[in-house]
Amino acid sequence: DSGVTQTPKHLITATGQRVTLRCSPRSGDLSVYWYQQSLDQGLQFLIQYYNGEERAKGNILERFSAQQFPDLHSELNLSSLELGDSALYFCASSPSFGGSEAFFGQGTRLTVV
Amino acid sequence: AQSVSQHNHHVILSEAASLELGCNYSYGGTVNLFWYVQYPGQHLQLLLKYFSGDPLVKGIKGFEAEFIKSKFSFNLRKPSVQWSDTAEYFCAVSGTGGFKTIFGAGTRLFVKA
Repeated sequence: DSGVTQTPKHLITATGQRVTLRCSPRSGDLSVYWYQQSLDQGLQFLIQYYNGEERAKGNILERFSAQQFPDLHSELNLSSLELGDSALYFCASSPSFGGSEAFFGQGTRLTVV
Repeated sequence: AQSVSQHNHHVILSEAASLELGCNYSYGGTVNLFWYVQYPGQHLQLLLKYFSGDPLVKGIKGFEAEFIKSKFSFNLRKPSVQWSDTAEYFCAVSGTGGFKTIFGAGTRLFVKA
């Protein structure tokens, strides 16, 4: 157990809908990262938050947004969902801003039908 | 641009064979380097990491990796693989200045019993 909790584990939704994925980082970790893992794209970095502020952005679509709350948990919002958004979404946390080991959650498997 | 390249997407080995997975990176400045492993149906876990010092790094489960700065490489090795090493392996790099961690596309290893 990495100490990072993601909910829900599985999500099935229809195209055009909006979903929210939740991540609770390890106790004491200030950085939260979101990654998308799909068969054709591999593991893609989406976005990073550090202590409530956005710090780095990767290949995140405009339909996607995220935030980190004062209690350090984070949410990834995916809207106007398309079939191609079906993937595993991982959250990871680390103690510092960058450069240190990341601890991954079990992931949320999103299926868009 | 920052990038991580893993040379092999799929590797099939018999038990007791030796393993070497290639990883090259492009990243300005001082880097921290990681290998993560993802067993089937599980989240990513850290195998080993290099921050500084001895470029030959030993990790868990008999894995090791060598950082060759002149070649921008961080190859993963194991002298004798086991069936339980069947997994996907990800090389990752992060800047010490606090930049996002970038992952390679992953190498899927299948070890035949």
